[in-house]
Amino acid sequence: GAGVSQSPSNKVTEKGKDVELRCDPISGHTALYWYRQRLGQGLEFLIYFQGNSAPDKSGLPSDRFSAERTGESVSTLTIQRTQQEDSAVYLCASSPTPGPTNYGYTFGSGTRLTVV
Amino acid sequence: KNEVEQSPQNLTAQEGEFITINCSYSVGISALHWLQQHPGGGIVSLFMLSSGKKKHGRLIATINIQEKHSSLHITASHPRDSAVYICAVRGPGGGADGLTFGKGTHLIIQP
Repeated sequence: GAGVSQSPSNKVTEKGKDVELRCDPISGHTALYWYRQRLGQGLEFLIYFQGNSAPDKSGLPSDRFSAERTGESVSTLTIQRTQQEDSAVYLCASSPTPGPTNYGYTFGSGTRLTVV
Repeated sequence: KNEVEQSPQNLTAQEGEFITINCSYSVGISALHWLQQHPGGGIVSLFMLSSGKKKHGRLIATINIQEKHSSLHITASHPRDSAVYICAVRGPGGGADGLTFGKGTHLIIQP
């Protein structure tokens, strides 16, 4: 597609349930990032995928969070046993093959997750 | 971990004014991004730079690597420029490092 597509755009879930968020990057973009933005807070890095390399999971806040990406296509972010503190906008971004510095990001419009 | 500081946190100005938003970071980087987040939450990447200066329309971004500082300027500001402007840096590892974000500058341009 023309941009980074995320679904669903909004998700309300009950505390304790699992949720799955989806990101469709721009075709040909090898790098894919997940970020989180809590209400009134700045953006937080969660996880980074680059091609078929092992992902950088250093930003995942707990073992309830996991993400997968098959090759250079769709990625899913899964949150198990959701907590109210997980309520946030989850943003996905993709970029072309990383060069020394010369590549930019395209952000999706985000998934607004509300845990009640 | 890089510390990214933006100033000011909030800025209200009149239409037509020249706007400057500053960003400082603590550790060497491979690139710095300026992002614009509109009230609906959508994020647009404005600039990515690793040295010097870039210009796009009324927007100008500069970076001083030695001083670990970047500025975003808006000339002839307009109410539609009202948004949160976010500075983000990528570590020296390049793509292997996720972005570290500043807390953003909330800009309001009044007609």
